[in-house]
Amino acid sequence: RKEVEQDPGPFNVPEGATVAFNCTYSNSASQSFFWYRQDCRKEPKLLMSVYSSGNEDGRFTAQLNRASQYISLLIRDSKLSDSATYLCVVNPGNQFYFGTGTSLTVIP
Amino acid sequence: EADIYQTPRYLVIGTGKKITLECSQTMGHDKMYWYQQDPGMELHLIHYSYGVNSTEKGDLSSESTVSRIRTEHFPLTLESARPSHTSQYLCASFADSSYEQYFGPGTRLTVT
Repeated sequence: RKEVEQDPGPFNVPEGATVAFNCTYSNSASQSFFWYRQDCRKEPKLLMSVYSSGNEDGRFTAQLNRASQYISLLIRDSKLSDSATYLCVVNPGNQFYFGTGTSLTVIP
Repeated sequence: EADIYQTPRYLVIGTGKKITLECSQTMGHDKMYWYQQDPGMELHLIHYSYGVNSTEKGDLSSESTVSRIRTEHFPLTLESARPSHTSQYLCASFADSSYEQYFGPGTRLTVT
């Protein structure tokens, strides 16, 4: 079983739409959670950390459900520049485990 | 912008050659990582280090080695390249203060 599972998409949404990505993780001892963004043929970059209480950064909201071992990312008012692959990342201790990523294309 | 560098950016090499992929960071981070990523796939951890003279194997380490003689430098060596090594190799360092991994631009390796 993979450590992190994500719906690979692709998600094709119009500008201004709200889109949500989900991710599940297998190790209940995981303590740290993140969303990274990866543009085509580029390196991943941190989008936001995910806290137990949920957190928001502008148009982006991340939620964590420890009981269900589930993480979500909500993007409101999608922009063309949001087109990328979004990686769910979990750290149960020594290592970081990455999901395969969810591909988002925002259409004009 | 993260101060982490990888060379070469692109490499095409024949089967059986020994190659070293370079990674350097100027942020003073103790923790560093090497990942392998195929197109459309997740990153797989190859090796990691918690500081000078510390190296650990990841899930995908069996055909490569690393060294950490200096904090800023974490090279990855493939003793005998094979076509199955064709992939993108990403180096990262970790900031304890912000809990963020910073990635280098990657090395795209093709073994013919």
